[in-house]
Amino acid sequence: AQTVTQSQPEMSVQEAETVTLSCTYDTSENNYYLFWYKQPPSRQMILVIRQEAYKQQNATENRFSVNFQKAAKSFSLKISDSQLGDTAMYFCAFMIRPFGGTSYGKLTFGQGTILTVHP
Amino acid sequence: GAVVSQHPSRVICKSGTSVKIECRSLDFQATTMFWYRQFPKQSLMLMATSNEGSKATYEQGVEKDKFLINHASLTLSTLTVTSAHPEDSSFYICSARVGAAYGYTFGSGTRLTVV
Repeated sequence: AQTVTQSQPEMSVQEAETVTLSCTYDTSENNYYLFWYKQPPSRQMILVIRQEAYKQQNATENRFSVNFQKAAKSFSLKISDSQLGDTAMYFCAFMIRPFGGTSYGKLTFGQGTILTVHP
Repeated sequence: GAVVSQHPSRVICKSGTSVKIECRSLDFQATTMFWYRQFPKQSLMLMATSNEGSKATYEQGVEKDKFLINHASLTLSTLTVTSAHPEDSSFYICSARVGAAYGYTFGSGTRLTVV
């Protein structure tokens, strides 16, 4: 079974600064996807960024980037130039790349990190 | 982009009654939908996987007779909480897999309060 661990229950950062959220995972699979989702106070889950495990290049989306270390099974999220609208709960998630099997298509979530951006 | 519409957003019901929550994929066909439960400041807990035209697959510990899931079409999945009790009060979220490379899209959630 896959597990995802986010060891930081809460983080805070000043507006315009940079913050990194940690995520580690455990799996025996070799082909999978990793995601970061954001859940603001509205509780709508929003995809922030995704990474395909077979790609060595780290994914980036504007101010959001990841540091994907496959051997270490680490997948951290860096938010640059933090904005007040980044205040949310952030979830790291894992999905086996579908080639069949009972785990096909399931997302496994970490415990979440509550990020607060201060003005 | 792919949108999942979830209704109602909030519902208050009396103990012992049943409540139905609907999730519709608006601009794509969702052969598989997932239903989650979330307590405040906690992670999403997968309850069941709903497949169009077949029985849902429930996670261990989830009572299938209490949480009835129906996926009657490629665009609609429903979760019915039967004989609701105060301990069923929670936030329920559905999601659909848009494509392997695109992850999932989520409904806006339903806050259920049983009084």
